Amino acid sequence: DTAVSQTPKYLVTQMGNDKSIKCEQNLGHDTMYWYKQDSKKFLKIMFSYNNKELIINETVPNRFSPKSPDKAHLNLHINSLELGDSAVYFCASSQRDSSYGYTFGSGTRLTVV
Amino acid sequence: GENVEQHPSTLSVQEGDSAVIKCTYSDSASNYFPWYKQELGKGPQLIIDIRSNVGEKKDQRIAVTLNKTAKHFSLHITETQPEDSAVYFCAATVKAAGNKLTFGGGTRVLVKP
Repeated sequence: DTAVSQTPKYLVTQMGNDKSIKCEQNLGHDTMYWYKQDSKKFLKIMFSYNNKELIINETVPNRFSPKSPDKAHLNLHINSLELGDSAVYFCASSQRDSSYGYTFGSGTRLTVV
Repeated sequence: GENVEQHPSTLSVQEGDSAVIKCTYSDSASNYFPWYKQELGKGPQLIIDIRSNVGEKKDQRIAVTLNKTAKHFSLHITETQPEDSAVYFCAATVKAAGNKLTFGGGTRVLVKP
Protein backbone atom coordinates (compact mmCIF):
# COMPACT_ATOMS: atom_id res chain seq x y z
CA ASP A 1 0.00 0.00 0.00
CA THR A 2 1.21 3.49 -0.82
CA ALA A 3 1.00 5.57 2.31
CA VAL A 4 2.53 7.62 5.05
CA SER A 5 3.13 5.38 8.05
CA GLN A 6 4.08 6.47 11.55
CA THR A 7 5.12 4.48 14.59
CA PRO A 8 4.17 4.13 17.31
CA LYS A 9 0.43 4.88 17.18
CA TYR A 10 0.27 5.44 20.93
CA LEU A 11 3.02 6.57 23.28
CA VAL A 12 2.61 7.02 27.04
CA THR A 13 5.64 8.22 28.92
CA GLN A 14 6.73 10.07 32.03
CA MET A 15 7.84 13.67 32.24
CA GLY A 16 11.53 14.11 31.63
CA ASN A 17 11.90 11.10 29.33
CA ASP A 18 13.20 11.21 25.76
CA LYS A 19 11.16 9.59 23.00
CA SER A 20 11.15 9.25 19.21
CA ILE A 21 8.42 8.97 16.60
CA LYS A 22 9.22 7.52 13.19
CA CYS A 23 7.66 8.34 9.84
CA GLU A 24 8.08 6.78 6.43
CA GLN A 25 6.40 7.50 3.10
CA ASN A 26 6.50 5.38 -0.05
CA LEU A 27 4.73 7.90 -2.29
CA GLY A 28 7.93 9.20 -3.85
CA HIS A 29 7.29 12.67 -2.39
CA ASP A 30 10.23 14.99 -1.80
CA THR A 31 8.83 16.98 1.14
CA MET A 32 7.81 15.77 4.58
CA TYR A 33 6.24 17.55 7.54
CA TRP A 34 5.48 17.22 11.21
CA TYR A 35 2.24 18.74 12.50
CA LYS A 36 0.99 18.91 16.09
CA GLN A 37 -2.73 18.61 16.84
CA ASP A 38 -3.74 19.83 20.28
CA SER A 39 -6.75 18.83 22.36
CA LYS A 40 -8.92 21.39 20.54
CA LYS A 41 -8.03 19.75 17.22
CA PHE A 42 -5.95 22.70 16.03
CA LEU A 43 -3.30 21.61 13.50
CA LYS A 44 -0.04 23.52 13.59
CA ILE A 45 3.07 22.90 11.50
CA MET A 46 6.28 22.18 13.36
CA PHE A 47 8.85 21.25 10.72
CA SER A 48 9.22 20.65 7.03
CA TYR A 49 12.01 18.89 5.15
CA ASN A 50 12.63 18.91 1.42
CA ASN A 51 15.06 16.27 0.15
CA LYS A 52 16.58 15.93 3.64
CA GLU A 53 16.99 19.68 4.03
CA LEU A 54 15.15 21.57 6.78
CA ILE A 55 13.04 24.30 5.17
CA ILE A 56 10.48 25.17 7.85
CA ASN A 57 11.07 25.36 11.59
CA GLU A 58 8.15 27.02 13.33
CA THR A 59 9.21 28.34 16.73
CA VAL A 60 9.32 24.87 18.21
CA PRO A 61 11.30 24.36 21.47
CA ASN A 62 14.74 22.96 20.76
CA ARG A 63 13.79 19.88 22.79
CA PHE A 64 12.20 18.79 19.50
CA SER A 65 14.73 17.64 16.93
CA PRO A 66 13.67 16.30 13.55
CA LYS A 67 15.95 14.04 11.52
CA SER A 68 15.62 13.06 7.90
CA PRO A 69 18.06 10.30 6.90
CA ASP A 70 16.61 10.27 3.37
CA LYS A 71 13.68 11.85 1.59
CA ALA A 72 11.38 8.93 2.47
CA HIS A 73 11.91 9.20 6.23
CA LEU A 74 11.38 11.95 8.78
CA ASN A 75 11.75 11.14 12.46
CA LEU A 76 10.96 13.31 15.45
CA HIS A 77 12.94 13.09 18.65
CA ILE A 78 11.72 14.83 21.78
CA ASN A 79 13.96 15.39 24.80
CA SER A 80 12.90 16.08 28.38
CA LEU A 81 9.21 15.57 27.73
CA GLU A 82 6.77 17.96 29.42
CA LEU A 83 3.05 17.64 30.19
CA GLY A 84 2.30 20.25 27.50
CA ASP A 85 3.82 18.03 24.84
CA SER A 86 0.80 15.74 25.09
CA ALA A 87 -0.91 15.88 21.70
CA VAL A 88 -1.37 13.96 18.49
CA TYR A 89 1.59 14.30 16.13
CA PHE A 90 0.99 13.86 12.42
CA CYS A 91 3.54 13.22 9.75
CA ALA A 92 2.66 14.24 6.18
CA SER A 93 4.30 14.32 2.78
CA SER A 94 3.84 16.12 -0.53
CA GLN A 95 5.57 16.71 -3.83
CA ARG A 96 6.75 20.27 -3.53
CA ASP A 97 6.78 21.47 -7.10
CA SER A 98 4.19 19.43 -8.95
CA SER A 99 1.40 19.12 -6.40
CA TYR A 100 0.36 21.01 -3.32
CA GLY A 101 -1.64 18.20 -1.76
CA TYR A 102 -0.52 16.61 1.48
CA THR A 103 -0.93 12.99 2.46
CA PHE A 104 -1.13 12.50 6.22
CA GLY A 105 -0.17 9.57 8.38
CA SER A 106 -2.62 8.23 10.95
CA GLY A 107 -0.99 10.05 13.84
CA THR A 108 0.87 9.28 17.08
CA ARG A 109 -0.99 10.06 20.27
CA LEU A 110 1.61 11.13 22.83
CA THR A 111 0.56 11.27 26.47
CA VAL A 112 3.02 12.61 29.03
CA VAL A 113 2.19 11.74 32.64
CA GLY B 1 2.21 35.00 7.98
CA GLU B 2 -1.00 33.42 6.74
CA ASN B 3 -3.99 33.25 9.07
CA VAL B 4 -7.01 31.06 8.28
CA GLU B 5 -10.28 31.37 10.19
CA GLN B 6 -13.02 28.78 9.93
CA HIS B 7 -16.69 28.90 10.91
CA PRO B 8 -18.70 27.41 12.45
CA SER B 9 -16.74 25.33 14.95
CA THR B 10 -19.60 22.85 15.22
CA LEU B 11 -22.42 22.08 12.82
CA SER B 12 -25.35 19.74 13.36
CA VAL B 13 -27.55 18.88 10.38
CA GLN B 14 -30.34 16.45 9.65
CA GLU B 15 -29.55 13.65 7.24
CA GLY B 16 -30.32 14.79 3.71
CA ASP B 17 -29.83 18.48 4.45
CA SER B 18 -26.91 20.57 3.20
CA ALA B 19 -23.90 21.68 5.24
CA VAL B 20 -21.81 24.77 4.56
CA ILE B 21 -18.46 25.62 6.15
CA LYS B 22 -16.79 28.98 5.55
CA CYS B 23 -13.16 30.05 5.75
CA THR B 24 -11.33 33.32 5.34
CA TYR B 25 -7.63 33.80 4.73
CA SER B 26 -5.38 36.78 5.21
CA ASP B 27 -2.58 36.47 2.64
CA SER B 28 -3.62 37.49 -0.87
CA ALA B 29 -0.63 35.50 -2.23
CA SER B 30 -2.24 32.20 -1.20
CA ASN B 31 -3.01 30.18 -4.30
CA TYR B 32 -4.11 26.73 -3.15
CA PHE B 33 -7.01 25.86 -0.85
CA PRO B 34 -7.56 22.22 0.16
CA TRP B 35 -10.22 20.76 2.42
CA TYR B 36 -9.55 17.82 4.71
CA LYS B 37 -11.84 15.42 6.51
CA GLN B 38 -10.66 13.85 9.75
CA GLU B 39 -12.51 10.87 11.17
CA LEU B 40 -12.05 9.74 14.75
CA GLY B 41 -8.63 8.26 15.37
CA LYS B 42 -7.40 8.92 11.84
CA GLY B 43 -5.27 11.46 10.04
CA PRO B 44 -6.79 14.23 7.89
CA GLN B 45 -7.71 13.11 4.37
CA LEU B 46 -7.90 15.41 1.38
CA ILE B 47 -11.46 15.51 0.03
CA ILE B 48 -11.36 18.40 -2.43
CA ASP B 49 -9.13 21.32 -3.34
CA ILE B 50 -9.26 24.47 -5.43
CA ARG B 51 -6.63 26.66 -6.99
CA SER B 52 -6.76 30.43 -7.20
CA ASN B 53 -7.45 30.47 -10.94
CA VAL B 54 -10.76 28.64 -10.41
CA GLY B 55 -13.93 29.97 -8.77
CA GLU B 56 -15.77 26.73 -8.14
CA LYS B 57 -15.14 22.99 -8.17
CA LYS B 58 -17.51 20.10 -7.63
CA ASP B 59 -17.04 16.41 -6.89
CA GLN B 60 -20.30 14.48 -6.47
CA ARG B 61 -21.95 15.79 -3.27
CA ILE B 62 -19.06 18.09 -2.37
CA ALA B 63 -18.33 21.51 -3.85
CA VAL B 64 -15.94 24.30 -3.00
CA THR B 65 -16.20 27.97 -3.96
CA LEU B 66 -13.49 30.61 -3.85
CA ASN B 67 -13.84 34.39 -3.77
CA LYS B 68 -10.33 35.80 -4.19
CA THR B 69 -11.44 39.40 -3.85
CA ALA B 70 -13.05 38.80 -0.49
CA LYS B 71 -10.44 36.19 0.46
CA HIS B 72 -12.89 33.55 1.49
CA PHE B 73 -13.74 30.04 0.40
CA SER B 74 -16.46 27.63 1.36
CA LEU B 75 -17.22 23.90 1.43
CA HIS B 76 -20.70 22.73 0.52
CA ILE B 77 -21.91 19.21 1.25
CA THR B 78 -25.30 18.30 -0.20
CA GLU B 79 -27.58 15.39 0.74
CA THR B 80 -25.59 14.75 3.91
CA GLN B 81 -25.26 11.20 5.17
CA PRO B 82 -24.25 9.88 8.63
CA GLU B 83 -20.82 8.93 7.24
CA ASP B 84 -20.19 12.63 6.55
CA SER B 85 -19.91 13.12 10.33
CA ALA B 86 -16.31 14.14 11.01
CA VAL B 87 -14.09 17.15 11.63
CA TYR B 88 -13.45 19.21 8.50
CA PHE B 89 -10.47 21.50 8.03
CA CYS B 90 -9.86 24.17 5.45
CA ALA B 91 -6.32 25.24 4.64
CA ALA B 92 -4.39 27.70 2.53
CA THR B 93 -0.85 27.84 1.25
CA VAL B 94 1.55 30.51 0.08
CA LYS B 95 3.85 28.88 -2.42
CA ALA B 96 6.77 31.12 -1.53
CA ALA B 97 6.65 29.81 2.04
CA GLY B 98 7.80 26.38 0.95
CA ASN B 99 4.39 24.85 0.46
CA LYS B 100 3.44 25.29 4.12
CA LEU B 101 -0.25 24.63 4.69
CA THR B 102 -1.95 26.81 7.30
CA PHE B 103 -5.11 25.21 8.66
CA GLY B 104 -8.34 26.65 9.95
CA GLY B 105 -9.50 25.64 13.42
CA GLY B 106 -11.78 22.85 12.16
CA THR B 107 -15.54 22.26 12.07
CA ARG B 108 -17.08 19.29 13.81
CA VAL B 109 -19.98 18.14 11.64
CA LEU B 110 -22.65 15.86 13.06
CA VAL B 111 -25.23 14.40 10.69
CA LYS B 112 -28.26 13.17 12.59
CA PRO B 113 -30.18 10.23 11.08
